[in-house]
Amino acid sequence: GAGVSQSPSNKVTEKGKDVELRCDPISGHTALYWYRQRLGQGLEFLIYFQGNSAPDKSGLPSDRFSAERTGESVSTLTIQRTQQEDSAVYLCASSRRSGSYNEQFFGPGTRLTVL
Amino acid sequence: DAKTTQPNSMESNEEEPVHLPCNHSTISGTDYIHWYRQLPSQGPEYVIHGLTSNVNNRMASLAIAEDRKSSTLILHRATLRDAAVYYCIPGRGGGNKLTFGTGTQLKVEL
Repeated sequence: GAGVSQSPSNKVTEKGKDVELRCDPISGHTALYWYRQRLGQGLEFLIYFQGNSAPDKSGLPSDRFSAERTGESVSTLTIQRTQQEDSAVYLCASSRRSGSYNEQFFGPGTRLTVL
Repeated sequence: DAKTTQPNSMESNEEEPVHLPCNHSTISGTDYIHWYRQLPSQGPEYVIHGLTSNVNNRMASLAIAEDRKSSTLILHRATLRDAAVYYCIPGRGGGNKLTFGTGTQLKVEL
């Protein structure tokens, strides 16, 4: 079946502009996660959704970052007034929320470059 | 979150077994040990997980030390497609965030 999809695959923007990144999770997956991966580094957790509520926003690096989710489907990560340090690959993952163990399925990511 | 220590890189020849070690001495008693891998230019993918007992699946085996302070991911016959960064992640079960370290870059040669 269809996996997690993200759009756009690449985004180049100028410093100070706002950007929106989209994630479409696997159908039926109630949990959704956003991570960031800077060049040559591991993934950093940003935010977790269960349905359309976000019980864990602890990884959002500043108030320029926000995210929302519509029901148990698409999520949007918004970065306002982008800075060069925001350049990274932004990865989305989804998982079920039932049973004893649920692995996370990752999308291909959005590569964001802030000039 | 438990701290992990993994080798920065390892090399293997194709068709040979690979043992990827991970130390997680501060793991809590209820934490799983998750392993994910990230192929070049892709998002991570789940490999295997375990709690106390050794585990096998179609991709790999996971050997967990009796004291749970270390584990080893075993690829029985490495292929070129197994070249990736392998992450060992102690943490709660599914539905919770994963805390990634820098992982082990596995290089597979002919």
